[in-house]
Amino acid sequence: QKEVEQNSGPLSVPEGAIASLNCTYSDRGSQSFFWYRQYSGKSPELIMSIYSNGDKEDGRFTAQLNKASQYVSLLIRDSQPSDSATYLCAVDLYNFNKFYFGSGTKLNVKP
Amino acid sequence: DTAVSQTPKYLVTQMGNDKSIKCEQNLGHDTMYWYKQDSKKFLKIMFSYNNKELIINETVPNRFSPKSPDKAHLNLHINSLELGDSAVYFCASSQNVEFYTFGSGTRLTVV
Repeated sequence: QKEVEQNSGPLSVPEGAIASLNCTYSDRGSQSFFWYRQYSGKSPELIMSIYSNGDKEDGRFTAQLNKASQYVSLLIRDSQPSDSATYLCAVDLYNFNKFYFGSGTKLNVKP
Repeated sequence: DTAVSQTPKYLVTQMGNDKSIKCEQNLGHDTMYWYKQDSKKFLKIMFSYNNKELIINETVPNRFSPKSPDKAHLNLHINSLELGDSAVYFCASSQNVEFYTFGSGTRLTVV
């Protein structure tokens, strides 16, 4: 079993729609969860961090964490073509000061 | 000012050669990392140094040797390069298990 799993996609949504990205992780004791966005040929950049159960909103982005079910999700409202990128889920598994990344979900937002 | 800078950005070399990648961060972070991203976008941790001390050494061939002369620098030396070493190598830094800041990446191509 992979430590952090994501659907590789591509996930295609029309402009203005809500994009929903999901991630599951293996270690029930994980405490820190992150979403990174990576444009083609660029480095990952942090979008959201979440540490406790529930929702966390930042502009058009909402991160959702459910530790009992061991999943974390990212919702992007009013999706824009500029949101087209690969979204990486990262989890601080085992609290060993290192992040395990999922393989990423490629999002395509069509104008 | 670039927070985490890597050099070179591109590196093309022949099998069997030895090469180095350099990384420097000006964020004052205590921890630096090397990650490898393969063609399928999977980011995998290789090494981590905290204040010049090696704290994470994943299952990586011993042809890869990191060196940290001070907490602002983390270099990666690779001996006897193989075709399978072709990937993008990202340096990152963090403070207190917070989110990573990534460098722009070094695309290594072994021919």
